[in-house]
Amino acid sequence: DTGVSQDPRHKITKRGQNVTFRCDPISEHNRLYWYRQTLGQGPEFLTYFQNEAQLEKSRLLSDRFSAERPKGSFSTLEIQRTEQGDSAMYLCASSLSGAGGNNEQFFGPGTRLTVL
Amino acid sequence: AQSVTQLGSHVSVSEGALVLLRCNYSSSVPPYLFWYVQYPNQGLQLLLKYTSAATLVKGINGFEAEFKKSETSFHLTKPSAHMSDAAEYFCAVSTSSGGYQKVTFGTGTKLQVIP
Repeated sequence: DTGVSQDPRHKITKRGQNVTFRCDPISEHNRLYWYRQTLGQGPEFLTYFQNEAQLEKSRLLSDRFSAERPKGSFSTLEIQRTEQGDSAMYLCASSLSGAGGNNEQFFGPGTRLTVL
Repeated sequence: AQSVTQLGSHVSVSEGALVLLRCNYSSSVPPYLFWYVQYPNQGLQLLLKYTSAATLVKGINGFEAEFKKSETSFHLTKPSAHMSDAAEYFCAVSTSSGGYQKVTFGTGTKLQVIP
């Protein structure tokens, strides 16, 4: 299967700990997105990469959050000093750039974070 | 600015009945519109997308949606519900902004199919 993969699928951590999630996009996709989805809500945009450049960050992405895509392939999302409010599903998506805004984003299965 | 409103957080239909999930959008530029389905503890799967071609869009699993500019709507329908359609459905609007594809999702509609 050559879809978007995310690791781990589930993470339980204690408040104050740091966590890191990984996303491997579809190999030829140059765009990568991170979203957060809380219970009863749709996904909310966090950040976006084109190749290795982080081009946009949401106001939701506090200074405790950092994302990287060092070689323009896989990406990591780190949350430092986790808080209970960080508990959510973190979704990664990738797409191929092209004309217009209709390029489909392909989603991974998500990482469900529970902060105790 | 763009936004999506999904009317009804929960919808119940009987197996074999018509499925209608409502979505209204707001966008200052011509939008692209999507419907995604999400099964429990899984990511989102694209059902169909509107990209300014035909206003009636057919997707996977027998779903279709009609883009109505005058009503700013993109409702999702399926003539006959199956048990396997029980899931959460998200409508999304996308516009280009400096080459970036900005996608905004609705809050979702959970579809329950009653045997």
